[in-house]
Amino acid sequence: RKEVEQDPGPFNVPEGATVAFNCTYSNSASQSFFWYRQDCRKEPKLLMSVYSSGNEDGRFTAQLNRASQYISLLIRDSKLSDSATYLCVVISGGYNKLIFGAGTRLAVHP
Amino acid sequence: GAGVSQTPSNKVTEKGKYVELRCDPISGHTALYWYRQSLGQGPEFLIYFQGTGAADDSGLPNDRFFAVRPEGSVSTLKIQRTERGDSAMYLCASSLTTNTGELFFGEGSRLTVL
Repeated sequence: RKEVEQDPGPFNVPEGATVAFNCTYSNSASQSFFWYRQDCRKEPKLLMSVYSSGNEDGRFTAQLNRASQYISLLIRDSKLSDSATYLCVVISGGYNKLIFGAGTRLAVHP
Repeated sequence: GAGVSQTPSNKVTEKGKYVELRCDPISGHTALYWYRQSLGQGPEFLIYFQGTGAADDSGLPNDRFFAVRPEGSVSTLKIQRTERGDSAMYLCASSLTTNTGELFFGEGSRLTVL
């Protein structure tokens, strides 16, 4: 079983839609959680951290459920520019050893 | 520029050849990471350097893979006797601190083994 699992998608949504991505992780000792964004043929970039209390950054909301070992990302009012692959990331060690999921592809269409 | 620089951006080689991939991290970043990404997959951890030493090389797939960072800045990933299965995007990343979750990635070196 992979340490971080995501639905690969693709999610095809119209502009303005709300879309949610889910991710599960297997290591209950995991300490930190993140969402990265990767545009086609580009490098991954940090989108946002995920906190137990949930956190929001503009149209993006991230949630963590430690009991279920589940992470989510909600995007409201989707824009064409949101089209990308969203990577769920977990840290289990004492340093930045990021473990990536396979990514969920989002395509926003007019 | 001020970002992570990787060379070459593309490398095509024949099975059995030796390959070196270079990474120049952001100035002042002591932590450096190598990842490998295949099509449709997320980046897979290979090795982590803190300064000059490899603090964690548990992701290197076998002894054909080796990485160095002799002066604590530039790093070279070395692959001996390349195999077709080594074909992937090799990503280098650096970070200023070691526990923030924010890695700054380079644009990668795409390796194709024929």
